[in-house]
Amino acid sequence: DQQVKQNSPSLSVQEGRISILNCDYTNSMFDYFLWYKKYPAEGPTFLISISSIKDKNEDGRFTVFLNKSAKHLSLHIVPSQPGDSAVYFCAASRLNTDKLIFGTGTRLQVFP
Amino acid sequence: GAGVSQSPSNKVTEKGKDVELRCDPISGHTALYWYRQSLGQGLEFLIYFQGNSAPDKSGLPSDRFSAERTGGSVSTLTIQRTQQEDSAVYLCANGGATTDTQYFGPGTRLTVL
Repeated sequence: DQQVKQNSPSLSVQEGRISILNCDYTNSMFDYFLWYKKYPAEGPTFLISISSIKDKNEDGRFTVFLNKSAKHLSLHIVPSQPGDSAVYFCAASRLNTDKLIFGTGTRLQVFP
Repeated sequence: GAGVSQSPSNKVTEKGKDVELRCDPISGHTALYWYRQSLGQGLEFLIYFQGNSAPDKSGLPSDRFSAERTGGSVSTLTIQRTQQEDSAVYLCANGGATTDTQYFGPGTRLTVL
């Protein structure tokens, strides 16, 4: 049972445009959500997070939106840059546990 | 070094052999996690160590998998009698007190022939 789903395995965006990566979850007990970025041959690196008490968190070019009623979160990257090309994983966890449940990832390609 | 390191970076083994994967975490971070990523799959939680508490082994896929963490530092993931479906990238992550500070190692790519 996939509790965290990323239904788009890949996304291609032109440099300068907005990239929108989507993530859905099924467990209403999740209250903390994270995005990780992974380059080939490297481990994932933390990008941005949001707790369930918020619906938006912004950090530079990266913004995460959370829609609790729809159990949906998204990562917006604007403007997209070629260096953003990577696999992006969303992850979720429950209060008082550090165990993260990851999605399957979306490969983003930003072309010039 | 300052980051999480894992060894070996690549391991090719024959079906039925045992393998040991090593994780050297960041000093001072109490939580340590093992995940694996199979081809086309997300990151699958395997096991979680937190201080002196009993590890959370709920993600281990079978009793062929085991892990230990010696002295609250280095961790070893052991897979006995490897099967082809064990082929994956095994990632170790080190965490502090808050969930968002999980630092991942580069992973060990295991191939079982």
